[in-house]
Amino acid sequence: GENVEQHPSTLSVQEGDSAVIKCTYSDSASNYFPWYKQELGKRPQLIIDIRSNVGEKKDQRIAVTLNKTAKHFSLHITETQPEDSAVYFCAAYDTGRRALTFGSGTRLQVQP
Amino acid sequence: DAGITQSPRHKVTETGTPVTLRCHQTENHRYMYWYRQDPGHGLRLIHYSYGVKDTDKGEVSDGYSVSRSKTEDFLLTLESATSSQTSVYFCATRERQEGEKLFFGSGTQLSVL
Repeated sequence: GENVEQHPSTLSVQEGDSAVIKCTYSDSASNYFPWYKQELGKRPQLIIDIRSNVGEKKDQRIAVTLNKTAKHFSLHITETQPEDSAVYFCAAYDTGRRALTFGSGTRLQVQP
Repeated sequence: DAGITQSPRHKVTETGTPVTLRCHQTENHRYMYWYRQDPGHGLRLIHYSYGVKDTDKGEVSDGYSVSRSKTEDFLLTLESATSSQTSVYFCATRERQEGEKLFFGSGTQLSVL
């Protein structure tokens, strides 16, 4: 099955700085890579996703890049704000199980 | 959020007792999933279902069983709860027309003492 590794586990930035979270995956057949944001005590919420036929996707202050050859993808948040503080999870679609396999999460803290 | 209700929201139980968690959806989604969330491990797949009476094991299925007798309900049972099953449990659904996007329930906090 799919295996997803995520780094770093914690990230602290100053408000206005950029934040980057990186993930690698193992199954070259995976074709869908979403990112979820989870605030304390809440359910994970999809914030952006990318498919394997696209190298980059942007949505306002967030962007995701995908390198299929190296099997890694990254989340970029620019101009960070305190409300960006949360746990972020990357995931890859396991085509065998027809389910998402998640990374271990990154706790992002944005210091005002 | 996508009409997914988990019950109970919180439960405290003792080691060795059976526990059943319920996931109910009103979206008529075909696929349903149970994940557990633990610090440092992210969300790990326990079991999943791709239709009524069609279920399969995920990566951490030992000690858990599931049933899906209706499209809208997916039950997760801990036959004999252990302290290692203390976790937050999330149900999620997916519909093929929506692609691979998952919709999550609010979660169940389970404590096994």
